[in-house]
Amino acid sequence: AQSVTQPDIHITVSEGASLELRCNYSYGATPYLFWYVQSPGQGLQLLLKYFSGDTLVQGIKGFEAEFKRSQSSFNLRKPSVHWSDAAEYFCAVSISNFGNEKLTFGTGTRLTIIP
Amino acid sequence: KAGVTQTPRYLIKTRGQQVTLSCSPISGHRSVSWYQQTPGQGLQFLFEYFSETQRNKGNFPGRFSGRQFSNSRSEMNVSTLELGDSALYLCASSLSRTSSDEQYFGPGTRLTVT
Repeated sequence: AQSVTQPDIHITVSEGASLELRCNYSYGATPYLFWYVQSPGQGLQLLLKYFSGDTLVQGIKGFEAEFKRSQSSFNLRKPSVHWSDAAEYFCAVSISNFGNEKLTFGTGTRLTIIP
Repeated sequence: KAGVTQTPRYLIKTRGQQVTLSCSPISGHRSVSWYQQTPGQGLQFLFEYFSETQRNKGNFPGRFSGRQFSNSRSEMNVSTLELGDSALYLCASSLSRTSSDEQYFGPGTRLTVT
């Protein structure tokens, strides 16, 4: 079965600093890859997704992610964070069309922004 | 276009009771998936419905069930509630069943079992 690892449970960065959230997946083939954000009391919002093609994917709110097949990674980045970026971030994979599970999520990384 | 709506937003139940949660997908979306979110287990897939049929099911006991109506609205039911069922239950809708379709999540129903 596929799995997703987000090694950082909690990250704190200063406003204006750059950000990188790590995500590694375990699966033989290339899955569909997603990053979601969840603000307190809210559902999940899709930031970006990768299916194929260009390995650098641009998303909403100034986020981007890079797929690296050799490292089985799909790290999320932002050049300059804003206080409103404080939230929990989830990496997720889906292994195929009509797969057994729509999405398998990582455990999430909570992002705190300090002034 | 209205987003995914879930009712109720908050619910408190007692052990042994049963509960029904409702999800209205985005208009035109035919696939509805349910997820359970807890601090210990994270986000886990419960089941997916499409065209009124359960298509996929996660690793949850039979106490968890669901259904989908002809208008794509979905309900999930949990019988004989246990303390461990306390969680945020998220519903997501998408146009079809393909994994490449974006899933749009509702705000969730916060269930507390006492």
